[in-house]
This record gives sequence, structure tokens and C-alpha cells, in this order.
Amino acid sequence: ETGVTQSPTHLIKTRGQQVTLRCSSQSGHNTVSWYQQALGQGPQFIFQYYREEENGRGNFPPRFSGLQFPNYSSELNVNALELDDSALYLCASSLVGHGETQYFGPGTRLLVL
Amino acid sequence: AQKVTQAQTEISVVEKEDVTLDCVYETRDTTYYLFWYKQPPSGELVFLIRRNSFDEQNEISGRYSWNFQKSTSSFNFTITASQVVDSAVYFCALSGGTGGGADGLTFGKGTHLIIQP
Repeated sequence: ETGVTQSPTHLIKTRGQQVTLRCSSQSGHNTVSWYQQALGQGPQFIFQYYREEENGRGNFPPRFSGLQFPNYSSELNVNALELDDSALYLCASSLVGHGETQYFGPGTRLLVL
Repeated sequence: AQKVTQAQTEISVVEKEDVTLDCVYETRDTTYYLFWYKQPPSGELVFLIRRNSFDEQNEISGRYSWNFQKSTSSFNFTITASQVVDSAVYFCALSGGTGGGADGLTFGKGTHLIIQP
């Protein structure tokens, strides 16, 4: 059974640029969620995708957007990067349904200069 | 709104001591799920346990045990005979019981556990 994978592992961007982060879900899972974890904080829910559509969103602005593909992999796109976007971005996959366990990938560390 | 509080920012104990990590949650949902995750320095969140709001039985898995008390809205985690490999940041999280799980997980700020040899 293949776990959740994310790419790239690290990324450095400058303010105002755009970034795309990628996630492959665990085999058998059909739902992908994205989280932002600032240094010293708990992860914050960005959004969740199921059947290639966003079906839930946390308190993040529209410049955070995503995609889910037919093979359940996903992308997180962030436009107009700000310094505060520097964080660890975590992807989690699960089966659809409330309370289903989310399994996390290793994350992508984004640094915005 | 949901909230998870982990009041202990950092705990340091000597190997083989028992340690308990506290978690208090707030929710208006009648059906909800509670989780514990471990985050080693590598950054990946490792799933430890899931508990639904209707199951208040305590659970033991090896050196790990969990105490869920609905009356006090707490879901505490105890490590018995701690080992250096237990050193990590531990997160308690809450999932709502509505909306098909689309509300995501609400995490606490985490407790940094340091096990000294």
C-alpha cells in the first residue's frame, strides 16, 4: 500500500510569485485535504477535495486554490505569495465521510522571501 | 466553532517515566471524532488513534493509552515507560460530525514532548 506523497520537499519563492504544490493520495482513498502549518503551531485546514470539487474550506483567501484529478491526486496553488505564507504545507488523504481518518504526507516546506 | 486546547506547550521527562498529554475540546456537534497525531522532526504527521463521541471506552495500545471523558470534554494521552523515540510534537485534533467531514480537522497547538536519556 502506497502512502501519501508530496512534492517538492522544499521550495523557496519570492513575494508576489505563484507556487504549485503536489500530492498523491494513499491508494484506495478518494478525498484530499490540505493544511498549512506555521512554525510552532498546529496545522490549519485550507480545503478539501472530493470528486474533483472543493467540498469544504477553512479561513483562507481565494488566492489559495486547488485541483483534484481523476486519479485522486491533488494540487495546491497559491498566488501572490506573501511572507506569511512561509510554512509547512501538509496534504492528507482519506475516504469520504465525516470522521474518517486522514493520513498525512511528509509535507512541503515553503519559504517566501 | 470548534476548538482544541493543549495547555502543555512542552514537557520534559527522563526516560522510563510515565507522561500524560492533556487535550480539552469544544464543539456543539453531538457526533464528532477525536484524534491524536505524532509529528517527529521530519514533519510528517503520524496517526495514532481515532475515537468517536459515542465510544467512551479507554483504549490501550502497548505503552500508549487514551482516556476519553465526555463530561469534562477531555481526551488525554498517556505514555507509559517513555522512551527517547517518543520525543516528538503530539497533536490532538477534532473533526465535526456534519458536512461529510468536509470541515477538516481542528488541531490544538501541540505539546512538544522531550524524553531525556
